[in-house]
This record gives sequence, C-alpha cells and structure tokens, in this order.
Amino acid sequence: GAGVSQSPRYKVTKRGQDVALRCDPISGHVSLYWYRQALGQGPEFLTYFNYEAQQDKSGLPNDRFSAERPEGSISTLTIQRTEQRDSAMYRCASSPALAGEAGANVLTFGAGSRLTVL
Amino acid sequence: AQTVTQSQPEMSVQEAETVTLSCTYDTSESDYYLFWYKQPPSRQMILVIRQEAYKQQNATENRFSVNFQKAAKSFSLKISDSQLGDAAMYFCAVHDSGGGADGLTFGKGTHLIIQP
Repeated sequence: GAGVSQSPRYKVTKRGQDVALRCDPISGHVSLYWYRQALGQGPEFLTYFNYEAQQDKSGLPNDRFSAERPEGSISTLTIQRTEQRDSAMYRCASSPALAGEAGANVLTFGAGSRLTVL
Repeated sequence: AQTVTQSQPEMSVQEAETVTLSCTYDTSESDYYLFWYKQPPSRQMILVIRQEAYKQQNATENRFSVNFQKAAKSFSLKISDSQLGDAAMYFCAVHDSGGGADGLTFGKGTHLIIQP
C-alpha cells in the first residue's frame, strides 16, 4: 500500500480480554517495528522484524505481549489478558532496508492503534 | 543503553519567528543517527530531519535545521519563519546498532505552540 496501515484505529476492551493489533507495512518494506506510546510520552520500542524473523523482542514488557509476521509482510501484535496499564497508542513502522543496514532507521510510521482497557 | 532528554516540555513562538528545540542524548556508540519527528494533532509521526553522527555538517531541510554538537551530545532543532502548521509535538530520537537492539529511542517530546 501507499502507507503503513494499522487496524483497528481504536479499540476499547475490558480487562482480561485478549486483543490483536494489525499492521500492514508499505509494500516491499522488509523491516517492521512496533512501538508503544503512552499519553504524554515518546514512543517506546517493543520489537522488530527483518522479513518474518523477529530479531529483537527485548522491549516487550512481559510475556503477555507477543508479535508475529509469518509471511514477512503483515504483522500482528497480540496482548493477552489485557490490563489497564496496557492502555496506549500502539504504533507500527516499516523500512525498506534491513535493520542494521544504512537507511534502515528511516522509518515510516502508521497512524497507530489506540487501545483503551477498562 | 541510549537515553534522550528533551528538557523543554513546551515552547511558544510567534508566527514567522525562529524557535530552537533542545535535545541531549547519551550513547556509547561512535556511529549513530539522530532524528527529529513531528507529531501533529492528527498523531501521525512525521520525520522532519535526520543527522548521521559521522557527518560534521549540520543537516538542513528547508526551514528546519539542526545544531549538532557531538562532543556535547547535543542535537537541537531550529525552525525558521515559524508557521501555524508547525504546531505539534516534536520528538528527538537516537538510533545506534550497539548491543544488538535496533529500535529508535525517543525523548518525551516538546509541545510547540505557534502564536498568530
């Protein structure tokens, strides 16, 4: 697509429910990143992929958070047993270069998925 | 680990004037990249300008320029001839590949207000 597409744009869920957030990167972009942005804060790195391989998940807060990119394109961030502290904007970004290569850090961000856990 | 500090939670400037947003950072790497991103009310994240640490020349993009002081680990953004459309949150970020991590580290942001 022309840009990074994220869905849903808004998600309200009850505590304890599972949520899945989807990211469709720019066509041909090989690396994909997930960030979380709490209100009044800058984005915080969660994890990233080169193609389908998850290269670094050190930023995932705990084991309730997981991400996959099975075919090297669309990615899903899943949060199990949601808690109120998970409420935030979840942003996806993609890049045409592999992470570690020159230009890889020029990221195009999606509009984000705003998650509210009641 | 990288850290980014933006010491100005909010800045205000008159339209057509110049404003400078401050950013300091810390990284143990010698090769890294620095960025300024703009987040307007729509909450998109838009890349404003990028600086490669090994380049001494300050990056410039139209009305936006940086003052990169590597020894001081300072990376300020200057916006000339401020326009109403410049009103936004501005985030400074650093990227290096040290330690195996590859994500950007962002500061907490500066809210820029443009007064007509």
